[in-house]
Amino acid sequence: SAVISQKPSRDICQRGTSLTIQCQVDSQVTMMFWYRQQPGQSLTLIATANQGSEATYESGFVIDKFPISRPNLTFSTLTVSNMSPEDSSIYLCSVAQDSNYGYTFGSGTRLTVV
Amino acid sequence: AQSVTQPDIHITVSEGASLELRCNYSYGATPYLFWYVQSPGQGLQLLLKYFSGDTLVQGIKGFEAEFKRSQSSFNLRKPSVHWSDAAEYFCAVGVGDYKLSFGAGTTVTVRA
Repeated sequence: SAVISQKPSRDICQRGTSLTIQCQVDSQVTMMFWYRQQPGQSLTLIATANQGSEATYESGFVIDKFPISRPNLTFSTLTVSNMSPEDSSIYLCSVAQDSNYGYTFGSGTRLTVV
Repeated sequence: AQSVTQPDIHITVSEGASLELRCNYSYGATPYLFWYVQSPGQGLQLLLKYFSGDTLVQGIKGFEAEFKRSQSSFNLRKPSVHWSDAAEYFCAVGVGDYKLSFGAGTTVTVRA
């Protein structure tokens, strides 16, 4: 299965600033996703990162707040913009390979906004 | 709408005892079902998955799960837990376009 490198692993940020999270995969993958896990909560899908086009966002998430890039089949970034303490969460990159639903998750980025 | 319910928020088991985690789903078509484990400070690791075929699925770390269509359930079991099994467990269903919908999770505590 694919190996995902997600950076940074954790960060503490000031409110009003932005943080960009990187997700690098060791092989080309069909689908890449970004999830959020708020403290003590389950995972919620933010968006599907589409290669060469705009990401597809889930209800409740917007591009202005969570801009996503995916320039190729092995790399994606998620930016958390104009952060507030409510954005403190773990953000996880996930990839799915072929039609066998071979999902793999990155180790996550633990974000604290102060 | 698709949904996943994990009725148990927290389960405590003794080391060596058996473990069963419940998962119920609501999905119109034949579901793709998954169990993930998240250890403290770690990412998610896939334990097992069900797409079709044999309804009893074997996974890693000695876990297994049984798909019961009549009960819309996909319960996870382990015959004898180890202290290292203390973690958060998530049931998930594939909801199309390769996306996953997760349950709220069950925290497992293992006592000596």
